[in-house]
Amino acid sequence: EDQVTQSPEALRLQEGESSSLNCSYTVSGLRGLFWYRQDPGKGPEFLFTLYSAGEEKEKERLKATLTKKESFLHITAPKPEDSATYLCALNNFNKFYFGSGTKLNVKP
Amino acid sequence: DGGITQSPKYLFRKEGQNVTLSCEQNLNHDAMYWYRQDPGQGLRLIYYSQIVNDFQKGDIAEGYSVSREKKESFPLTVTSAQKNPTAFYLCASSPQSAAGELFFGEGSRLTVL
Repeated sequence: EDQVTQSPEALRLQEGESSSLNCSYTVSGLRGLFWYRQDPGKGPEFLFTLYSAGEEKEKERLKATLTKKESFLHITAPKPEDSATYLCALNNFNKFYFGSGTKLNVKP
Repeated sequence: DGGITQSPKYLFRKEGQNVTLSCEQNLNHDAMYWYRQDPGQGLRLIYYSQIVNDFQKGDIAEGYSVSREKKESFPLTVTSAQKNPTAFYLCASSPQSAAGELFFGEGSRLTVL
């Protein structure tokens, strides 16, 4: 059964304190691993797509990496405006499966 | 601007009433999706459609219905058969159903009184 598990559920960081969010998955045929940011009461905002193990993508303070079993979202020197819920999802043919998210709170 | 428009943003319903949530996209995407989000849970797929006049059930389709008469539109009806309809509903689209990311609307919050 295809599954996506995110950890931790919640993460509190001080401004400037770097950390990583984890997304582990099991899938019969990966056709993309996606990271989204979701602010309260809003729809998810697309961040990255990763297709193959070893692939990395960066955007400002965020860097996403992918192995055969998991993906990491590294946050370098976070700022309070990075506070949000981060979702990962995988695309298995016609369906997208989402993890339950990591709620990140960055304190000034 | 291209995007996905969901309406209404907030909706209140009495028990026993059907309600329809609107989703319109002007991105010329083939595939459209409806997800439900509950607090502390991931997004769960209700229905999806790859082409006009065709749609498939997702993991939690019971108590919901959809139609896809136009490429741009994918309305979701929450029927009285849905036992716990209070949730945040998200519509999404994708240029290709087999690859590529999802683009989301801003969501509709349904509350049953």
